[in-house]
Amino acid sequence: AQSVTQLGSHVSVSEGALVLLRCNYSSSVPPYLFWYVQYPNQGLQLLLKYTSAATLVKGINGFEAEFKKSETSFHLTKPSAHMSDAAEYFCAVSVGNFNKFYFGSGTKLNVKP
Amino acid sequence: NAGVTQTPKFQVLKTGQSMTLQCAQDMNHEYMSWYRQDPGMGLRLIHYSVGAGITDQGEVPNGYNVSRSTTEDFPLRLLSAAPSQTSVYFCASSLQGPPDTQYFGPGTRLTVL
Repeated sequence: AQSVTQLGSHVSVSEGALVLLRCNYSSSVPPYLFWYVQYPNQGLQLLLKYTSAATLVKGINGFEAEFKKSETSFHLTKPSAHMSDAAEYFCAVSVGNFNKFYFGSGTKLNVKP
Repeated sequence: NAGVTQTPKFQVLKTGQSMTLQCAQDMNHEYMSWYRQDPGMGLRLIHYSVGAGITDQGEVPNGYNVSRSTTEDFPLRLLSAAPSQTSVYFCASSLQGPPDTQYFGPGTRLTVL
């Protein structure tokens, strides 16, 4: 079975500081990996995804993530946080032909002025 | 182009009542799915469909039924609501299954008393 672990249910950074949101997955076969963002009272929106091409994936709003097979990780980063980045972020995994997505429990990002 | 629409936005039920959550998409997507979102648990897949007439179970299918008679619509039925089904429900669609980008609806907030 696949699973996703997001370390830290709440992360707080200052505006302009580095954002690092952690995601580890478990899968016996190469996965597809995703990061989604959810703003209050809205649905989820895709930030970026890894589909076995380049291991460093760039997404929208200046976010990027690196797939590290040896560490089974797919951490999300942004060099400089903006107030508008305050939201909840979800990591998700899908494997092979199973047609299912498994989401992590989410990390709420707070950006302090 | 409305994307993924869900109705109703809010619903309060009494234990034992039945209801149907509606989901529709106008993007000609084959893959559609239902999730529930509970605090601290991320999103969990309830049921999904890879095309009209084809549905399958996700992680938490008990207490829910689905059908897919058209490409556009994917309703979720609660046959006998229970307080444990109090949650926010999201419908999503993608052109095909993973790794295609999922587009999420705005959600339905359901309370079962």
